[in-house]
Amino acid sequence: DTGVSQDPRHKITKRGQNVTFRCDPISEHNRLYWYRQTLGQGPEFLTYFQNEAQLEKSRLLSDRFSAERPKGSFSTLEIQRTEQGDSAMYLCASSLVLEGNEQFFGPGTRLTVL
Amino acid sequence: DQQVKQNSPSLSVQEGRISILNCDYTNSMFDYFLWYKKYPAEGPTFLISISSIKDKNEDGRFTVFLNKSAKHLSLHIVPSQPGDSAVYFCAAFQGAQKLVFGQGTRLTINP
Repeated sequence: DTGVSQDPRHKITKRGQNVTFRCDPISEHNRLYWYRQTLGQGPEFLTYFQNEAQLEKSRLLSDRFSAERPKGSFSTLEIQRTEQGDSAMYLCASSLVLEGNEQFFGPGTRLTVL
Repeated sequence: DQQVKQNSPSLSVQEGRISILNCDYTNSMFDYFLWYKKYPAEGPTFLISISSIKDKNEDGRFTVFLNKSAKHLSLHIVPSQPGDSAVYFCAAFQGAQKLVFGQGTRLTINP
């Protein structure tokens, strides 16, 4: 399978706990994006990387959120001190800059904060 | 501020007929538009795209039309098939990097 993969697919946590999600992009894709989707809405941009550099962060990404892409391959998204409002689907996407604008999405990680 | 809007939350079409999904945008700086399809428990899947220098792009049963003066685009699916039942998202590029999505339209194809 050469698509974007995300782990875990589901995460249930208690309010105040920290969680970390992982995304493995399509091999050799140099851009990696994180989006968040809540019920009845389209995905909302959180942040993106080109190789290992984080180039843009949305205002939605509070100080409790941090993302890394240390070697320019996989990425992690950590949420500290989770709140019930963080419950959402977290989507990762990747693209190759020189091959058009299409972003290819993973299956997402569904986070439920109790 | 919703820069990309899909005003129809749902659409029901008979199998074999044409499905038309609509999308409006407000930001005149958008220069590339995409349609994604999403099944439950899966991530969005890219369908078709169009650059702002074109007014039509066709790929098999899928055609996207862009009307820049009206800031409107539409996705036509013909003929519609049961497997087309899904949520469809319109998205636009802002700065050629992040995608801005609409709220989605749930398409149901009835046999």
